[in-house]
Amino acid sequence: DIQMTQSPSSLSASVGDRVTITCQASQDITNNLNWYQQKPGKAPKLLIYDASNLQPGVPSRFSGGGSGTDFTFTITSLQPEDIATYYCQQYDSVLPSLTFGGGTKVEIK
Amino acid sequence: QVQLQESGPGLVKPSETLSLTCTVSDGSFSSNSYYWNWIRQPPGKGLEWIGTIYYSGSTYYSPSLKSRVTISVDTSKKQFSLKLSSVTAADTAVYYCARSVVVVLASTRLNHWGQGTLVTVSS
Repeated sequence: DIQMTQSPSSLSASVGDRVTITCQASQDITNNLNWYQQKPGKAPKLLIYDASNLQPGVPSRFSGGGSGTDFTFTITSLQPEDIATYYCQQYDSVLPSLTFGGGTKVEIK
Repeated sequence: QVQLQESGPGLVKPSETLSLTCTVSDGSFSSNSYYWNWIRQPPGKGLEWIGTIYYSGSTYYSPSLKSRVTISVDTSKKQFSLKLSSVTAADTAVYYCARSVVVVLASTRLNHWGQGTLVTVSS
């Protein structure tokens, strides 16, 4: 099974800061990687799909990159409403199985 | 915009079977463009994929839960269901149903989620 290692597990940053989260796959997953935002008490929301594609309606301050085994998720200018936990998720290119990273909790300093 | 709604008991006794249903609001349920998924999240912890079903009834389960999980579909009611047997306190979690986009055979991105339902396993 493919394992997803997400880091850091938590971070604290100031409004306006650039925030970067990384996700590492245990084997090459090409660009089969999505990013989600989850606010307390809510379901996750898709932000980025296929490593770098912005889901329609999602603000452009969110972006994703990478391929193979190493991926990044960036918030270019942190806003108060971005306080949430962010998860990466990989998908198998042949069979419908999914794996999530452990999550990164983002807080305001 | 499609909506998904989970329903079922909020409290299940240890060793019994957890049963949940997800109702889909629109005709996308019978489309070959989507898979239908169950995901869970223990309190204060991360997300765990449980399994996936296609409208035709084909199923795929997490290896760690495969021996206890059954997912089924009722296309006439636009519903899919989860059964998890022999539950313990470790199965206490918020259970989400979600729709994913099919690309070739892959279940790719989860672009619509239910609100989630908390199931507690306790005597």
